[in-house]
Amino acid sequence: GAGVSQSPSNKVTEKGKDVELRCDPISGHTALYWYRQSLGQGLEFLIYFQGNSAPDKSGLPSDRFSAERTGGSVSTLTIQRTQQEDSAVYLCASSLTGSLYGYTFGSGTRLTVV
Amino acid sequence: DQQVKQNSPSLSVQEGRISILNCDYTNSMFDYFLWYKKYPAEGPTFLISISSIKDKNEDGRFTVFLNKSAKHLSLHIVPSQPGDSAVYFCAASGSGTASKLTFGTGTRLQVTL
Repeated sequence: GAGVSQSPSNKVTEKGKDVELRCDPISGHTALYWYRQSLGQGLEFLIYFQGNSAPDKSGLPSDRFSAERTGGSVSTLTIQRTQQEDSAVYLCASSLTGSLYGYTFGSGTRLTVV
Repeated sequence: DQQVKQNSPSLSVQEGRISILNCDYTNSMFDYFLWYKKYPAEGPTFLISISSIKDKNEDGRFTVFLNKSAKHLSLHIVPSQPGDSAVYFCAASGSGTASKLTFGTGTRLQVTL
């Protein structure tokens, strides 16, 4: 597709359950990022994949969060034992290496933990 | 520790007037700055950027000004149009490119008729 695709667009889950969020970046984009936006907050960096390099996981808030990127393309963000404070919009973005033109974001996954 | 700050959560401007959105940063290693625009239920979209070697960049109705000594940048929209109503995010990176951006909390702009 032409843009960054994220699925599902909405997810409601019970506290304590695991969730998987998917991101399909733009073909050829070597960099992939996950951010989240909690209510009233800015975009919080979570993790960054660049080609075959080790990912920058410095933004992951706890060890309940993990992400992988298979074959340099699709990425999944997994949240284990979800908590209510995990409720947020999770945004994926991709870009070309060294881009001066910013990221292309997906529409996000709205996660609600009840 | 909020390294990129947008102190005005909202701004209302009449159609045709100038909109000025402000952003401050604390990290002196930041050397590349971007503005993104976000409509509800959509991801942010890139609007305009500026490198620290410049103090102004213009693209149509949008101009970004950078004051490095004050660690301040601003986005000017002239003239403002109703379709400009959105949330605007300021972002910064320290790599000279748009990688691993640090975002502000956003300013909601409402352009009224």
